[in-house]
Amino acid sequence: EAGVAQSPRYKIIEKRQSVAFWCNPISGHATLYWYQQILGQGPKLLIQFQNNGVVDDSQLPKDRFSAERLKGVDSTLKIQPAKLEDSAVYLCASSLVNSGYTFGSGTRLTVV
Amino acid sequence: DQQVKQNSPSLSVQEGRISILNCDYTNSMFDYFLWYKKYPAEGPTFLISISSIKDKNEDGRFTVFLNKSAKHLSLHIVPSQPGDSAVYFCAARSSDSNYQLIWGAGTKLIIKP
Repeated sequence: EAGVAQSPRYKIIEKRQSVAFWCNPISGHATLYWYQQILGQGPKLLIQFQNNGVVDDSQLPKDRFSAERLKGVDSTLKIQPAKLEDSAVYLCASSLVNSGYTFGSGTRLTVV
Repeated sequence: DQQVKQNSPSLSVQEGRISILNCDYTNSMFDYFLWYKKYPAEGPTFLISISSIKDKNEDGRFTVFLNKSAKHLSLHIVPSQPGDSAVYFCAARSSDSNYQLIWGAGTKLIIKP
């Protein structure tokens, strides 16, 4: 079974630039999550999708962050414009309903 | 408001000895608890879980204990091996929260040879 694929693995941008991350979940997993993990902290949920609908985006900073999940499969997370405090690892995870998560390897974003 | 707390940022244990990682929570509605392990440059991977109706779950060298009255759980690794060196996250879920996980900040475990 292929895992959750994320790209890019690393990204360095200047503040006020924009950036996009891509996630391909495990085939058949209806639920997809985007997490932000800052060094020394646990993952923080940004947005949860069920198929192509948003279940929870209460912690997504909507003035600069956006996410979509086309056709209930792949998802993209965008930051525009980026701030220094957005430097973190962005993790994508997928799951069947009411089951454990499988995480991708993450994208390490550095904003300078 | 930290609902899941891992108060030890790091722990160093001799190879072959027991590693005990602790986790405290505040939400009495949590009904399922999980431990994840994370190596550098990789996403977290599932290790072991426990339902709130149990007080112990064992899988090989890994055992999770749950003390509901104290709102405390612990992960025991015995014997500890060098490959166990990683960051361990405790996570909890309540049935009324869209199955979202609430995460602790993690404990970095270092196994010394």
